[in-house]
Amino acid sequence: RKEVEQDPGPFNVPEGATVAFNCTYSNSASQSFFWYRQDCRKEPKLLMSVYSSGNEDGRFTAQLNRASQYISLLIRDSKLSDSATYLCVDYISGTYKYIFGTGTRLKVLA
Amino acid sequence: DTAVSQTPKYLVTQMGNDKSIKCEQNLGHDTMYWYKQDSKKFLKIMFSYNNKELIINETVPNRFSPKSPDKAHLNLHINSLELGDSAVYFCASSHLPPADLSTYTFGSGTRLTVV
Repeated sequence: RKEVEQDPGPFNVPEGATVAFNCTYSNSASQSFFWYRQDCRKEPKLLMSVYSSGNEDGRFTAQLNRASQYISLLIRDSKLSDSATYLCVDYISGTYKYIFGTGTRLKVLA
Repeated sequence: DTAVSQTPKYLVTQMGNDKSIKCEQNLGHDTMYWYKQDSKKFLKIMFSYNNKELIINETVPNRFSPKSPDKAHLNLHINSLELGDSAVYFCASSHLPPADLSTYTFGSGTRLTVV
């Protein structure tokens, strides 16, 4: 089983729609989680950290469910500019390693 | 004022050649990384250095050798290039985990094509 798993998509949604992605992780020692965004042929960039209590940044909401070992990203009122690949990232305590998921591709359609 | 800069941006070379990719960061971070992103977009850690000391060394062929002359630089040398080495190589830097994990910053990538 992969350490971090994501549905590759693509998720094709119309502008203005709400879309949610999940990401499951297998290591119970996982300490911190992040969502990164990667545009085509560009480097990944931090979108937001994922806190135990959940957090919200504008149209984006991230949640952590430790019991079921998954994190989620909700995007409200999707914009064309949200089209990208969203990478789930897991930091495993004591390893110095960030483990990246393979990403979920989102296409927002006009 | 690029934070993490990699050179070259593109590299096309023949099988069997030896090539190097350079990375420099001006963020004052003490930890640097090399990642490989293959054609399936899977981003996988290869190496990491903290203050010139190797702290992550994943299972990669020994044709790949990282070198860190100081904490602001991490270069990647690849010997005897193979077709399967074609990928995008990303350099990144951060403060040493787990401190301030949100500081993780990637370079813009080096697209290596082996022909």
